[in-house]
Amino acid sequence: AIWMTQSPSLLSASTGDRVTISCRMSQGISSYLAWYQQKPGKAPELLIYAASTLQSGVPSRFSGSGSGTDFTLTISCLQSEDFATYYCQQYYSFPRTFGQGTKVEIK
Amino acid sequence: EVQLVESGGGLVQPGGSLRLSCAASGFTFSSYEMNWVRQAPGKGLEWVSYISSSGSTIYYADSVKGRFTISRDNAKNSLYLQMNSLRAEDTAVYYCARDIYGSGNDYWGQGTLVTVSS
Repeated sequence: AIWMTQSPSLLSASTGDRVTISCRMSQGISSYLAWYQQKPGKAPELLIYAASTLQSGVPSRFSGSGSGTDFTLTISCLQSEDFATYYCQQYYSFPRTFGQGTKVEIK
Repeated sequence: EVQLVESGGGLVQPGGSLRLSCAASGFTFSSYEMNWVRQAPGKGLEWVSYISSSGSTIYYADSVKGRFTISRDNAKNSLYLQMNSLRAEDTAVYYCARDIYGSGNDYWGQGTLVTVSS
């Protein structure tokens, strides 16, 4: 199985900040990585797939980068609706695995 | 509009069984791979199982292998998860999610809560 290390687990930030979340794989997965946003009591929503492709309808302040083993989700200018928990997921091989999650909270 | 609606969750005793359903609408269900993903209370997401569009290819997480069975009925636009020998650690919200090859899970249901407790 591919192990994932997502960091940080908690990120305190203010509206307007630029934030970065990291996801590191135990082995290379090319670009088979997705990022999801989840708000309390709601299902996850796909933000980015193929490491850097923005899902339709997702604001352009979200961006993804990386390939192989190291990936990054960046929110360029944090908005109030962005305070949520973010997960990475590899879909290169089974078992599919998710990162541990990063909760972005208001500072 | 794509919709996925899970049902079948509830309270079950350890060792018991439950069958979850996911009703799909708004897209050609038979053309898409599907997944079950769960989330224990206050915890992160855990992938549970995958089934190909035809049902011929299936994968499970080690934590549920031998106890859970995924299946689908393309004529009924429905996905299922038969859960046997349930344990306390299976307590979670279970989501069905549509799978797009090379693109992750683009649509998710609202989830159904399974509680395993005596």
